[in-house]
Amino acid sequence: DAGVTQSPTHLIKTRGQHVTLRCSPISGHKSVSWYQQVLGQGPQFIFQYYEKEERGRGNFPDRFSARQFPNYSSELNVNALLLGDSALYLCASSLEGRGSLPLSLAEAFFGQGTRLTVV
Amino acid sequence: AQSVTQLGSHVSVSEGALVLLRCNYSSSVPPYLFWYVQYPNQGLQLLLKYTSAATLVKGINGFEAEFKKSETSFHLTKPSAHMSDAAEYFCAVRFSGSARQLTFGSGTQLTVLP
Repeated sequence: DAGVTQSPTHLIKTRGQHVTLRCSPISGHKSVSWYQQVLGQGPQFIFQYYEKEERGRGNFPDRFSARQFPNYSSELNVNALLLGDSALYLCASSLEGRGSLPLSLAEAFFGQGTRLTVV
Repeated sequence: AQSVTQLGSHVSVSEGALVLLRCNYSSSVPPYLFWYVQYPNQGLQLLLKYTSAATLVKGINGFEAEFKKSETSFHLTKPSAHMSDAAEYFCAVRFSGSARQLTFGSGTQLTVLP
């Protein structure tokens, strides 16, 4: 079975540009979360989506947005890129919903990440 | 405020020695706790999780962790380090009231010396 897949793996953008990162969850997983990991730090929560609806949002500016599609894949969009947006962006999927484990116990499966460099 | 603290950003041990990585959380309600490992240029892999079923949790690759409510701690241990254990380790928490997000510690880089 394929794990969580993210694309692209690496990306270089210029300040002020826009970027779109993509994530495909594990088959059967309906919940997708996004995290930002700046070099030398732990991942920081950005968004969580379930059934195409935003269910959680971290402390990030409105330049960050996301959406989830009917096939449960997801996109993270960042506008007006800043140098400080350079980071590894991680996507995680998990089981959630009626009959599944409560989210609080559900293991989050992470992708390999997208390394974004803003110059 | 709810937070996760990992003491020691870098830990070095000799091959075969005990590994102890520390994690403390601040919360009045016991949260759900996880340890993840990250190898260079890779995502995060779950080592183990505390789900309130047992205070001593066994995970993959010989790692285990003990939940101590009185100390608000969830330290990770392994009796005998292997070279392949060299990686970055993150303690993560789902706090009550914000269970949709994982709150991560700042990480501990483990070096295993031959």
